[in-house]
Amino acid sequence: GQQVMQIPQYQHVQEGEDFTTYCNSSTTLSNIQWYKQRPGGHPVFLIQLVKSGEVKKQKRLTFQFGEAKKNSSLHITATQTTDVGTYFCAGRDGATNKLIFGTGTLLAVQP
Amino acid sequence: GAGVSQTPSNKVTEKGKYVELRCDPISGHTALYWYRQSLGQGPEFLIYFQGTGAADDSGLPNDRFFAVRPEGSVSTLKIQRTERGDSAVYLCASSRGSPVGNVLTFGAGSRLTVL
Repeated sequence: GQQVMQIPQYQHVQEGEDFTTYCNSSTTLSNIQWYKQRPGGHPVFLIQLVKSGEVKKQKRLTFQFGEAKKNSSLHITATQTTDVGTYFCAGRDGATNKLIFGTGTLLAVQP
Repeated sequence: GAGVSQTPSNKVTEKGKYVELRCDPISGHTALYWYRQSLGQGPEFLIYFQGTGAADDSGLPNDRFFAVRPEGSVSTLKIQRTERGDSAVYLCASSRGSPVGNVLTFGAGSRLTVL
């Protein structure tokens, strides 16, 4: 079945450093969404990418969808302690319409 | 309601018992999803409903798991003969209209512990 993997599994940065997480799907996706889950919380939607090669920005966050629509990345510039949490990509399979979550990247930010 | 409501927030049960978990989606959201999340893992898809019908139940791990949404609003996830491996946080989410391209709003989850 469809698998969505993310690397790294865990990243520890100093406040002010940049951070990137990468998402790879075993199948072509119709779209991809990104969610953030704070410790003890539930996933909260960040953004959706639909077009091949699409790039979207939200303040310090930059999201990219690969040309082949099988991979994506999230880059955070100048991390802050409020960025702490687990970032999940979620890929929608074009054939089944299921939204499959990635394995997640836990970001820790040291002040 | 204003958000997705899940009850109970915590459930501790003994191996072999029957459990029901309830989800009350955002009013007007026709799509409803159940996911299961174990510690340190991503949400694992179980089932989604479009209206009253289960549009895709391919994620249900076995026939001990069953979910209903009889009136197209509230949904109940039912687990028979619980096993220790069923322990996890069960997340419900809802979205508007067709699932394609729509954003999921999650509830706070129901934490199930099977002793």
